[in-house]
Amino acid sequence: AQSVTQLGSHVSVSEGALVLLRCNYSSSVPPYLFWYVQYPNQGLQLLLKYTTGATLVKGINGFEAEFKKSETSFHLTKPSAHMSDAAEYFCAVRGGSQGNLIFGKGTKLSVKP
Amino acid sequence: DAGVIQSPRHEVTEMGQEVTLRCKPISGHNSLFWYRQTMMRGLELLIYFNNNVPIDDSGMPEDRFSAKMPNASFSTLKIQPSEPRDSAVYFCASSLGDRGFEAFFGQGTRLTVV
Repeated sequence: AQSVTQLGSHVSVSEGALVLLRCNYSSSVPPYLFWYVQYPNQGLQLLLKYTTGATLVKGINGFEAEFKKSETSFHLTKPSAHMSDAAEYFCAVRGGSQGNLIFGKGTKLSVKP
Repeated sequence: DAGVIQSPRHEVTEMGQEVTLRCKPISGHNSLFWYRQTMMRGLELLIYFNNNVPIDDSGMPEDRFSAKMPNASFSTLKIQPSEPRDSAVYFCASSLGDRGFEAFFGQGTRLTVV
């Protein structure tokens, strides 16, 4: 069965600092991995995804993530945090052949001025 | 494309009443998902359809919950009778399998049962 673990329900960084949000997955099939962002009172928006190919994936808003099979990880990073990055971030893995996504519990990112 | 459209955005109802949430997926997408989001449980997959056929409804919490997809452009999630513990944000999402399974989410319906 597929599952996702996000380490840290709440991460706080200063503006301009590195953002690192951790995600580990478990998958019995080659994983498709996703990061989504949710702003208050909004739906989820895709930041980036890994399916096959290059293991370093670049997404929107300067975010990127690296798929590391040996570590079963897909951590999300951004070199310099901006106030507008404050939101909740969800890591997800494909649950099956029909494409249902299994989500982690989410990590709320706060950015201090 | 307008994206996934859900209605209503907010619903307040009394315990025991029937509630119907609606979703219009992105045109051409062949999979549709209903999720529920709460503080306690996070994002839970309730049910999903592929080509209008329910594939897995194991996430539906009780028989009070039912979902239909009569055609490729419309789906409903019904709760009857509703209970206060059903209060949550319900999201609909759609995807196209041969595009890497990226799911596009609607804005959600915030349901409050009093």
